[in-house]
Amino acid sequence: GAGVSQSPSNKVTEKGKDVELRCDPISGHTALYWYRQSLGQGLEFLIYFQGNSAPDKSGLPSDRFSAERTGGSVSTLTIQRTQQEDSAVYLCASSFYPQQGLAQYFGPGTRLTVL
Amino acid sequence: GQQLNQSPQSMFIQEGEDVSMNCTSSSIFNTWLWYKQDPGEGPVLLIALYKAGELTSNGRLTAQFGITRKDSFLNISASIPSDVGIYFCAGYDAYSGAGSYQLTFGKGTKLSVIP
Repeated sequence: GAGVSQSPSNKVTEKGKDVELRCDPISGHTALYWYRQSLGQGLEFLIYFQGNSAPDKSGLPSDRFSAERTGGSVSTLTIQRTQQEDSAVYLCASSFYPQQGLAQYFGPGTRLTVL
Repeated sequence: GQQLNQSPQSMFIQEGEDVSMNCTSSSIFNTWLWYKQDPGEGPVLLIALYKAGELTSNGRLTAQFGITRKDSFLNISASIPSDVGIYFCAGYDAYSGAGSYQLTFGKGTKLSVIP
């Protein structure tokens, strides 16, 4: 079946502009995660959605970052007033906990470049 | 917070050689996952481990959940050029109280295979 998809695959923006990144999780997966990966680094947790529960926003680096998940499926990560340090690959993952354990399945990522 | 130490950071091996990498944590985990990431792609799940002492294989890959629950290793036998990439370990600590099933990721092992 279809995996996690993300769009756009690449985004170049100017400092100060807002950007929206989209994630389509695997159909039926109840949990959705956003991560950030800087060049040559590991994955930094940003935010987690599980069903209808309130999201865990503990990883968001500043109030310029927000995310929503509509209808328990598609999610959008929004970065307002982008800064150069926001440049990174933003990865989305979904899982079907608990039925399939805690394994998360990742999308290809969106590479964000802030000029 | 939780710490995951993954080693080695990088390795160069000859095609056909076996490879071993490991992760150790500062706390007890009840889930260990191993991912591979190719350039420009999202991490792909290789093996999931849910029980201390568990040994699981996926083709030429074998991973084990350490009996202390603080470590895991991944072995690749008879390496081939397509094994090149970055391998990440990830773990989940059920006792952290995070409540959001956050995975803690290692910083990755970059594998290069010399034909």
